[in-house]
Amino acid sequence: AQKITQTQPGMFVQEKEAVTLDCTYDTSDQSYGLFWYKQPSSGEMIFLIYQGSYDEQNATEGRYSLNFQKARKSANLVISASQLGDSAMYFCAMREGRAGNTPLVFGKGTRLSVIA
Amino acid sequence: EAGVVQSPRYKIIEKKQPVAFWCNPISGHNTLYWYLQNLGQGPELLIRYENEEAVDDSQLPKDRFSAERLKGVDSTLKIQPAELGDSAVYLCASSLGRSFYNEQFFGPGTRLTVL
Repeated sequence: AQKITQTQPGMFVQEKEAVTLDCTYDTSDQSYGLFWYKQPSSGEMIFLIYQGSYDEQNATEGRYSLNFQKARKSANLVISASQLGDSAMYFCAMREGRAGNTPLVFGKGTRLSVIA
Repeated sequence: EAGVVQSPRYKIIEKKQPVAFWCNPISGHNTLYWYLQNLGQGPELLIRYENEEAVDDSQLPKDRFSAERLKGVDSTLKIQPAELGDSAVYLCASSLGRSFYNEQFFGPGTRLTVL
């Protein structure tokens, strides 16, 4: 079974609008972390935001926020006030367990296109 | 502070040829990861090092792939011989420590094309 599921292969959003990228995860661990990365066409993976399984508040980083619904096992990324530079691939990833050096498991990604 | 450095950025070889990728992690980062990213997919772990020890290499195809991290700093990933299906992006990442929140920093990747 997929540990990370991103059901939207591609998304379009108008500049200055908000967009939600979906991510559901599957784990039996009580301790885990959820990450979102951005991958522009240049190829590097850019860390955006992190949510720990014990965090009670939804994570926010500037225009990025993570809508964490633990019971539904979802960790959707919300980008507010989209910019043309937000056009990229977006990956949701999970680290299981308490060790911070456990490798990440990634979803297949969502390609976001921001339209002027 | 310099990020994770990888070279080469691009490599084109013919099948059955050997190829090697190099990674220099962020200074002081004890954990180093090699990920494989196929086209249209998310990265998948190939191997993880803690200092110079390979602690997770279950996904590394050991018949043709090898890796080393001498002195617990730089790392080299080698494929010999390369096959058409090895065409992908090879990403190196590093992280520091074992705290619950621990960000992995990625390099720009090496895009391999096998003809």
